[in-house]
Amino acid sequence: RKEVEQDPGPFNVPEGATVAFNCTYSNSASQSFFWYRQDCRKEPKLLMSVYSSGNEDGRFTAQLNRASQYISLLIRDSKLSDSATYLCAVNSWASGTYKYIFGTGTRLKVLA
Amino acid sequence: DTAVSQTPKYLVTQMGNDKSIKCEQNLGHDTMYWYKQDSKKFLKIMFSYNNKELIINETVPNRFSPKSPDKAHLNLHINSLELGDSAVYFCASSQGGVGTYNEQFFGPGTRLTVL
Repeated sequence: RKEVEQDPGPFNVPEGATVAFNCTYSNSASQSFFWYRQDCRKEPKLLMSVYSSGNEDGRFTAQLNRASQYISLLIRDSKLSDSATYLCAVNSWASGTYKYIFGTGTRLKVLA
Repeated sequence: DTAVSQTPKYLVTQMGNDKSIKCEQNLGHDTMYWYKQDSKKFLKIMFSYNNKELIINETVPNRFSPKSPDKAHLNLHINSLELGDSAVYFCASSQGGVGTYNEQFFGPGTRLTVL
């Protein structure tokens, strides 16, 4: 089992739709969680951190489920500009150090 | 204002050559990283340096050697390049190491093609 797994997609949704992605992680000692956005041929950029109580930033909501070991990202009222790959990242303590492990990303296409 | 910069942006070279990629950050961060993103878009950490000290050294061939002359720079030297080294290499930095909620800032990437 991979340490961090995501459905690669693509998720093709119409503008205005609500879409959700999940990301599962295998290390129960994982400490912190993130969603990054990566546009085509660009570098990843932090979208939002994921806190235990869940957090929201405009149209984006992130949640953490420690019992089932997954994080989720919900995008409401999708815009064309939301089309990108969404990478989850998990920060885990292993072998005496923290390690940032990325999922392979979920590709989102918002269609006009 | 460039936060994390890498040079070159594109690198096309022949198998067997030796090449270097340079990275600089002006954010004052303590920790820098090298990641490799392959054709399947999997982003995998290669190395991490904290204040010029090697912290993470993942299982990469010893043809890859990072060098950190100071905490603002982390260069990657690759010897005897192979076809499988073709990928995008991202440099990144964060404040205070891979701690609890330290955001990673990525450079624009270096697209390496080995022919």
